[in-house]
Amino acid sequence: TQLLEQSPQFLSIQEGENLTVYCNSSSVFSSLQWYRQEPGEGPVLLVTVVTGGEVKKLKRLTFQFGDARKDSSLHITAAQTGDTGLYLCAGASNTGNQFYFGTGTSLTVIP
Amino acid sequence: DAGVIQSPRHEVTEMGQEVTLRCKPISGHDYLFWYRQTMMRGLELLIYFNNNVPIDDSGMPEDRFSAKMPNASFSTLKIQPSEPRDSAVYFCASSLSNEQFFGPGTRLTVL
Repeated sequence: TQLLEQSPQFLSIQEGENLTVYCNSSSVFSSLQWYRQEPGEGPVLLVTVVTGGEVKKLKRLTFQFGDARKDSSLHITAAQTGDTGLYLCAGASNTGNQFYFGTGTSLTVIP
Repeated sequence: DAGVIQSPRHEVTEMGQEVTLRCKPISGHDYLFWYRQTMMRGLELLIYFNNNVPIDDSGMPEDRFSAKMPNASFSTLKIQPSEPRDSAVYFCASSLSNEQFFGPGTRLTVL
């Protein structure tokens, strides 16, 4: 059972455009993480958000954790071809040791 | 640091054969996770260990799957007998805090 639903599932945009990816759940998580995965490789952690309403910025990427700690969003400003990849959100269990991964958003940035 | 090491990177086998996937976690990490990734089901947690002890194996699909961690530097995931529906990419990840580091994965094809 997928506890985390991501939307959109696929996204293809032109270089320089902005985009937002959503991660939604009916469950509350102690923390939420975003990963990026490139073909043939494992996911790589981008950020961890812990507090409801928290906003973190990583260069052109902005991550937000919902107030109720059930959802999150990832906004990319002025997308670049290097942003292409599969973006995964993951919610942590109450113990913080077990992670439930979302369905993933496959992003393609066209030059 | 070499990161999480998995072997083999690719495995092609015939239905009914035994398959053993191997993982060497990052030195000093006390958690080890086995995941399976498919297009249909995304990234699924199969089992995880803490200090070499299995904590939660509820994600293991059925009795054909087994995992061991005989010491802090080595883990195996075994499928016996393998079936075509087991075809997927299997990832091992290790962590010390709440940041997981993934290996490159083993792409398994069961004919």
